[in-house]
Amino acid sequence: DQQVKQNSPSLSVQEGRISILNCDYTNSMFDYFLWYKKYPAEGPTFLISISSIKDKNEDGRFTVFLNKSAKHLSLHIVPSQPGDSAVYFCASSARDTGKLIFGQGTTLQVKP
Amino acid sequence: DAGITQSPRHKVTETGTPVTLRCHQTENHRYMYWYRQDPGHGLRLIHYSYGVKDTDKGEVSDGYSVSRSKTEDFLLTLESATSSQTSVYFCAIKPGHAYEQYFGPGTRLTVT
Repeated sequence: DQQVKQNSPSLSVQEGRISILNCDYTNSMFDYFLWYKKYPAEGPTFLISISSIKDKNEDGRFTVFLNKSAKHLSLHIVPSQPGDSAVYFCASSARDTGKLIFGQGTTLQVKP
Repeated sequence: DAGITQSPRHKVTETGTPVTLRCHQTENHRYMYWYRQDPGHGLRLIHYSYGVKDTDKGEVSDGYSVSRSKTEDFLLTLESATSSQTSVYFCAIKPGHAYEQYFGPGTRLTVT
C-alpha cells in the first residue's frame, strides 16, 4: 500500500521555465510534508517543507503547495536551472511517529 | 553538512555472508534511521532508533538487524546477505524537535 505516490517518474523542462513536480498521499493523519533533492552518488538533501495548517510555503525559487482536500502537494521551481537536474522525493510524516514515508521519486532534467 | 558519515561507502560481498554497515554522527541527535533506496521504490525505512538501545522496525526490516550502543553510532547488519539486498543504504538523523531528517552520503552494497 503506497501511502505517498509520485506518478511521474521523469520530467524534462527548458532552462528558465517552470518545473512542477507532483505528489499524492492517502493517509489523512499526515501533518507535515517535505521535498528532498538527490544528486547521483550523494545522499538526499532537504529542500523545503510545509505544515498541514498551511497551503503554501515559498523559499526563493522553490514553492510548495498543499491541497489537503485533494491530498495533493506540488513543488514549483521557477525559473528552472540546469543545476536543478536531480531526483526529487516527496515525503510525508505524522507527528506521533517520527518517521517519514517517501514517494518513488521524479527525475527532473532541465535542458540548457 | 549534517555531520553524518557512513562506512564503508562501497562494498561487494557474496551471498550468505554477514555484512555490517556503520553510521556515525557528530551531532548527538537522539533519532537515527536506516533506509534503502531502490529504483521505483524511493526510500524505504528499514529500522530506526530513538535512543541508545532503543530501536524499532520499519517497513522492510526482514533480514536486517540494528544496534545502537552509543548515541553517535547506529549499525545495520545483514545476518546472511542475499542478492535482493543489493541496494544503496542511507543513514539519517533527525533533530528531536524537527520533522526533517538529514542524510548521510550512502553505502552502495552489491551482493553477488
